[in-house]
Amino acid sequence: EVQLVESGGGLVQPGGSLRLACAASGFTFSSYEMHWVRQAPGKGLEWVSYISSSGRTIYNADSVKGRFTISRDNAKNSLYLQMNSLRAEDTAVYYCARDGSIVGADDAFDIWGQGTMVIVSS
Amino acid sequence: SSELTQDPAVSVALGQTVRITCQGDSLRTYYASWYQQKPGQAPVLVIYRKTNRPSGIPDRFSGSSSGNTASLTITGAQAEDEADYYCNSRDSSGNHRVFGGGTKLTVL
Repeated sequence: EVQLVESGGGLVQPGGSLRLACAASGFTFSSYEMHWVRQAPGKGLEWVSYISSSGRTIYNADSVKGRFTISRDNAKNSLYLQMNSLRAEDTAVYYCARDGSIVGADDAFDIWGQGTMVIVSS
Repeated sequence: SSELTQDPAVSVALGQTVRITCQGDSLRTYYASWYQQKPGQAPVLVIYRKTNRPSGIPDRFSGSSSGNTASLTITGAQAEDEADYYCNSRDSSGNHRVFGGGTKLTVL
């Protein structure tokens, strides 16, 4: 079964750091581009970061640039999001999502994890 | 502000047809995809490459695109289709992805 499972969410104080992880299974993780998408409580979806299959190309939303770092370990079938200098407005459910481009679903997020909640509060 | 614009809310009578639209200049160049999200659940891809349906998505869901507008049509809406729907595409730079603000669909 194709699956993404996020972990690492929790309560953190403003200015603090947190590292999210996403474990992939059921597909050849190293072949796929990956993304992080977040959703603040009661709000819409917001794309956060992208990483190429090799990890050499990264793009970040302006809202997190300089604070969040996406990375991957293809040997461990894992995606990560290092979040520094956290703010209250970063409070959200964070989803990892697979980019379906190599299976024909160009530019689409074809598989999603269940999400992990991050709360930034003092 | 989002570069993709959706109506915040739409309603449809059970069994009728509803169209949800998404407007943005980048849609003239890049593919649109659509996602269904029910309360407390992760989003699910329902349409990709403007008009294609993943396996397992009912054929009452269809997509289309013209100019700067992408559309998701549900023909014969069912009670289980009540959900939030989001469009997605690339932004004008081509490097970033952007979601529309979402449309809450109510099935009456």
